[in-house]
Amino acid sequence: NAGVTQTPKFQVLKTGQSMTLQCAQDMNHEYMSWYRQDPGMGLRLIHYSVGAGITDQGEVPNGYNVSRSTTEDFPLRLLSAAPSQTSVYFCAVNPGGGNYGYTFGSGTRLTVV
Amino acid sequence: GENVEQHPSTLSVQEGDSAVIKCTYSDSASNYFPWYKQELGKGPQLIIDIRSNVGEKKDQRIAVTLNKTAKHFSLHITETQPEDSAVYFCAASRGPGRRALTFGSGTRLQVQP
Repeated sequence: NAGVTQTPKFQVLKTGQSMTLQCAQDMNHEYMSWYRQDPGMGLRLIHYSVGAGITDQGEVPNGYNVSRSTTEDFPLRLLSAAPSQTSVYFCAVNPGGGNYGYTFGSGTRLTVV
Repeated sequence: GENVEQHPSTLSVQEGDSAVIKCTYSDSASNYFPWYKQELGKGPQLIIDIRSNVGEKKDQRIAVTLNKTAKHFSLHITETQPEDSAVYFCAASRGPGRRALTFGSGTRLQVQP
């Protein structure tokens, strides 16, 4: 039982490149979210999903796309990376149904040069 | 939208002393207030949470208090130990899934042996 798995753990991109950050869960949880963490700013919500086929924008969605075709996976896509997207990205899952506790993955550290 | 402010940004205590971290929130509809602990290189881990129908909750050396009228909540750690050293985040939410969590900016706690 791995819980929430994020890949890769580290990535360096050049400005303008694209990539997908992967998030997979084996907890069968309905809700999945993507956060970015920047120094001194806590964690900010990028996109979230309340179930397969349903996604919505969070606080800082610009420059990121998501889709949720299965319960298990919630990939985050950067179409054209910018230095401002240098950050640590966390995926979080929640069972839904009134249970509020979120479980976070171990993060992906992304550097855009 | 919700805004969560957290103080102090850094806190240094001697082993065995108590530590208190305070947060205020802006959205009177928020009803769920979790606290997360983040160790270096890891994702945030839920350590305690409180719902708006409760004023205080305790779990061994950790307690959280909530004042809904004043819109603030606090984390109390008693008998601190070196392994308590980490970054602590407070958060607020209206409920499961929708808009997920709004985080404070974090407090770096250092427990001196």
